[in-house]
Amino acid sequence: GQQLNQSPQSMFIQEGEDVSMNCTSSSIFNTWLWYKQEPGEGPVLLIALYKAGELTSNGRLTAQFGITRKDSFLNISASIPSDVGIYFCAGQLGSGGSNYKLTFGKGTLLTVNP
Amino acid sequence: GAGVSQSPRYKVAKRGQDVALRCDPISGHVSLFWYQQALGQGPEFLTYFQNEAQLDKSGLPSDRFFAERPEGSVSTLKIQRTQQEDSAVYLCASSLVQGVTYEQYFGPGTRLTVT
Repeated sequence: GQQLNQSPQSMFIQEGEDVSMNCTSSSIFNTWLWYKQEPGEGPVLLIALYKAGELTSNGRLTAQFGITRKDSFLNISASIPSDVGIYFCAGQLGSGGSNYKLTFGKGTLLTVNP
Repeated sequence: GAGVSQSPRYKVAKRGQDVALRCDPISGHVSLFWYQQALGQGPEFLTYFQNEAQLDKSGLPSDRFFAERPEGSVSTLKIQRTQQEDSAVYLCASSLVQGVTYEQYFGPGTRLTVT
């Protein structure tokens, strides 16, 4: 099935550093979401973006919905050890019915060294 | 509970056995989705329910996969005659679908291992 292009695949950083990851698609999406998944758990919603160009923050996390509606990025500032996990972007067409289904990227594995 | 729950959390099946995976969505959530997550991959869509109606099953990999939500709440994903390639984490998500908010909330998943 279709998956979004997410990069980088993995990151190893020192505590306190900032992190940036992005997601691109050949298709337009009307909603972009960012999830974090920890081992043995389901994805947890971090940020949802609904308008092209929108910039939204959630604590140390900031995400933007690309103006072309084909990309999004996520920044994490001043990383801490509990930021460790796999970060997934997901696109959603919306506008009714099963257009609410999510198309996911392959994930970015983040490791933070204390 | 407040979140989506799934059971069992882990299931080991011998090839050829049938399995049933249960999802309890967040109370009042209209939409329910099943996803399959292979090792090292992002989740992939399987099927979608709005209340009790299964509106999209285009992601089900074969006719061995069957899902139901008879009363518009709890859902069951059934896999008949399991094969090794069915080994994956099966995730359930629910959504309120109100206004322009279509955020999906995931359960912890059921890890299925077919031996």
